[in-house]
Amino acid sequence: ETGVTQSPTHLIKTRGQQVTLRCSSQSGHNTVSWYQQALGQGPQFIFQYYREEENGRGNFPPRFSGLQFPNYSSELNVNALELDDSALYLCASSPHSGGATGELFFGEGSRLTVL
Amino acid sequence: GDSVTQMEGPVTLSEEAFLTINCTYTATGYPSLFWYVQYPGEGLQLLLKATKADDKGSNKGFEATYRKETTSFHLEKGSVQVSDSAVYFCALLHAQGAQKLVFGQGTRLTINP
Repeated sequence: ETGVTQSPTHLIKTRGQQVTLRCSSQSGHNTVSWYQQALGQGPQFIFQYYREEENGRGNFPPRFSGLQFPNYSSELNVNALELDDSALYLCASSPHSGGATGELFFGEGSRLTVL
Repeated sequence: GDSVTQMEGPVTLSEEAFLTINCTYTATGYPSLFWYVQYPGEGLQLLLKATKADDKGSNKGFEATYRKETTSFHLEKGSVQVSDSAVYFCALLHAQGAQKLVFGQGTRLTINP
């Protein structure tokens, strides 16, 4: 059984640039969530995708956007990068069970540094 | 809004010591409560959960009881091992709609042999 994989693992961008992070969900999982984890903090919910539609969003501006593909993989896009966007971005997958269970399977994350 | 507060870290213990990591929450209604663990070089993984008041979650020797009266979900283990060294996160979830976990800031635990 293949777990959640994310790419790239590390990347450096400059302020104002755009970035795309990728995630492959665990086999059999059709729901993907994205979280931002700043240094020394707990993860914060960005949004969730199910059946290629966003079906939940946290307190993040519209320059954070995403996609989910028919194979359930997902992308997180961030436009107009700011210094505060420097963080570990976590992808988590879960099987859709008709309700939120909180039982998520996380990848190791993509560490973004904005200079 | 909902929030989770964990005891400040880092926490350093000797092997076989008793562990308690405190967690309190603020939320409307009756959320589900979780402990997630992040071992070095690995992704976050679910350690245990409790979905209603007085429920006890347990796994790998760890336990936590959902206390509605004190809005707490403290993590305990009777005898820790070096392999328990990790960062522990307390979290809550309202089981409606998205898998929107609200996490605490994490507590780094180091166990010395």
